[in-house]
Amino acid sequence: KAGVTQTPRYLIKTRGQQVTLSCSPISGHRSVSWYQQTPGQGLQFLFEYFSETQRNKGNFPGRFSGRQFSNSRSEMNVSTLELGDSALYLCASSGGTASEAFFGQGTRLTVV
Amino acid sequence: GDSVTQMEGPVTLSEEAFLTINCTYTATGYPSLFWYVQYPGEGLQLLLKATKADDKGSNKGFEATYRKETTSFHLEKGSVQVSDSAVYFCALSEGTNAGKSTFGDGTTLTVKP
Repeated sequence: KAGVTQTPRYLIKTRGQQVTLSCSPISGHRSVSWYQQTPGQGLQFLFEYFSETQRNKGNFPGRFSGRQFSNSRSEMNVSTLELGDSALYLCASSGGTASEAFFGQGTRLTVV
Repeated sequence: GDSVTQMEGPVTLSEEAFLTINCTYTATGYPSLFWYVQYPGEGLQLLLKATKADDKGSNKGFEATYRKETTSFHLEKGSVQVSDSAVYFCALSEGTNAGKSTFGDGTTLTVKP
């Protein structure tokens, strides 16, 4: 079956703009999580959505938000972009009998 | 809160050498433990997992045993190949909820021919 799909793969934005990233989970998975990966901070948990509700949240400012739709697809939004938001944003889905998370290839965001 | 500590890298080995990457964890409950691998420009792929104490996860010649007494989950491989060069992440999730996983900082492995 199809894996986790993230779009777009690459983005370049200007400081102050806002951006929306998309994630389609594996069919049947109801949990979608987002992570930020940077060389200095490693993998940091942003938030998790389950059945359209935010179930867990990491320690990121309110500029980072997300939502999940009834088909489990999720979007992540970052407003008022800062240079430090440049990172690889990874989406992961989980559910069913699997105990692990399945990751997409990520969206590489560059803020200039 | 939960935390995962990996041995500091990077690690450089010659082909066919023995690999160990140490991982220890702190968790309040009974976590599931994972090793993920990331190749350049890609997302994370699950390498192996263990869901309870004394379980051994294995895949592609890699092994790790869930040691509750030492809160460890060290990754080992008897003979590495150049194609094993990648970044390896140790991770845990509480119970059956893999939606919020805690990751180590990652260890970069380079295998030279």
